[in-house]
Amino acid sequence: EAAVTQSPRNKVAVTGGKVTLSCNQTNNHNNMYWYRQDTGHGLRLIHYSYGAGSTEKGDIPDGYKASRPSQENFSLILELATPSQTSVYFCASGDSGQNSDYTFGSGTRLLVI
Amino acid sequence: GDSVTQTEGQVTVSESKSLIINCTYSATSIGYPNLFWYVRYPGEGLQLLLKVITAGQKGSSRGFEATYNKEATSFHLQKASVQESDSAVYYCALRPRTGGYKVVFGSGTRLLVSP
Repeated sequence: EAAVTQSPRNKVAVTGGKVTLSCNQTNNHNNMYWYRQDTGHGLRLIHYSYGAGSTEKGDIPDGYKASRPSQENFSLILELATPSQTSVYFCASGDSGQNSDYTFGSGTRLLVI
Repeated sequence: GDSVTQTEGQVTVSESKSLIINCTYSATSIGYPNLFWYVRYPGEGLQLLLKVITAGQKGSSRGFEATYNKEATSFHLQKASVQESDSAVYYCALRPRTGGYKVVFGSGTRLLVSP
């Protein structure tokens, strides 16, 4: 069954440390997305990608980098983690078509102390 | 820019009662956007509940339904009789007709169904 898998499910990081969140999809979708979800906010787009080797800035990219080394994998990198980046992160994949929808991973809960 | 508003952060409904979760949107792009409801059950990722791509039409799934009202710019989610298993967080979302990569989500409404 096609799916989006995120790892780790939970992560505790120290302020100033480097954190890498990983996402793998078996849907063969071109597009992949990273969102964060905080209480009182909708899902906010951090970075996205149109395909292997491509990364684009979303609405809140500051403090984050992204890497898309292959069709299947899309990583979110926090070079210098801060407590304000404590959140739940969701990865999603989707086709480029206007009427397509997204398939989401189960989320990564990140706590930066 | 485009936006989606869900006014209720949490809704509590007794089992077998009816439900309505409000959603309004603002789309600045040319043309009518696609509208979606996603649901997130505890410990899981978001999953598509229903979508409507044509203004004026109704979408339905698992007993839920939502009508795309372009005049009121609303897409309220309704269910006639909720079950305890419907307890989850519901997100309204839109995808504009131009710049089509970017789905915009509302803040979510947590539904608690009491037995």
